[in-house]
Amino acid sequence: KNEVEQSPQNLTAQEGEFITINCSYSVGISALHWLQQHPGGGIVSLFMLSSGKKKHGRLIATINIQEKHSSLHITASHPRDSAVYICAVPRGMADKLIFGTGTRLQVFP
Amino acid sequence: DAGVIQSPRHEVTEMGQEVTLRCKPISGHDYLFWYRQTMMRGLELLIYFNNNVPIDDSGMPEDRFSAKMPNASFSTLKIQPSEPRDSAVYFCASSFGYYNEQFFGPGTRLTVL
Repeated sequence: KNEVEQSPQNLTAQEGEFITINCSYSVGISALHWLQQHPGGGIVSLFMLSSGKKKHGRLIATINIQEKHSSLHITASHPRDSAVYICAVPRGMADKLIFGTGTRLQVFP
Repeated sequence: DAGVIQSPRHEVTEMGQEVTLRCKPISGHDYLFWYRQTMMRGLELLIYFNNNVPIDDSGMPEDRFSAKMPNASFSTLKIQPSEPRDSAVYFCASSFGYYNEQFFGPGTRLTVL
């Protein structure tokens, strides 16, 4: 079993739909990262969170430490949101990041 | 700031040749990370530095890989000799503090024939 699992692996949506991507992990963590990888390959850090919820524009990330689960939500999705979304957690305190396999999102107009 | 700079953006080489990838982190950042991304294995951390000192190199696949950070503004990842299975995209990232947001470079796409 992978230490970081994401679901779904692939997701298609119509423009305007509400999107949810899930990340479950089996290690104890201090913080969880959400990354976005554009079709051209560039990687951008979206969020780093250790508790509760963070919001940036149409993106919302939540984490439940007790359940070892995080979700990334996109409200009013747009074709430019099409990308691979990756969650990552450190294996332990001050330990190296391990990555989920990513969720490929395609939003159609 | 220009962000994290990597060079070259693309590298094609023949098996057995030495390959050197370069990274300039964001000024003021004290952590630098080297990652590799392949279709089979996804993103993997190879090594990271704190204040130019290598902290964890357990992700470096084998002795053919080496990384240096001679100063706060420059790091290299070297593969010698290169093999076809080293073909991947190599990303460099930097951050201010280990638990803060990492900023990624555009990556170097390496193809070893």
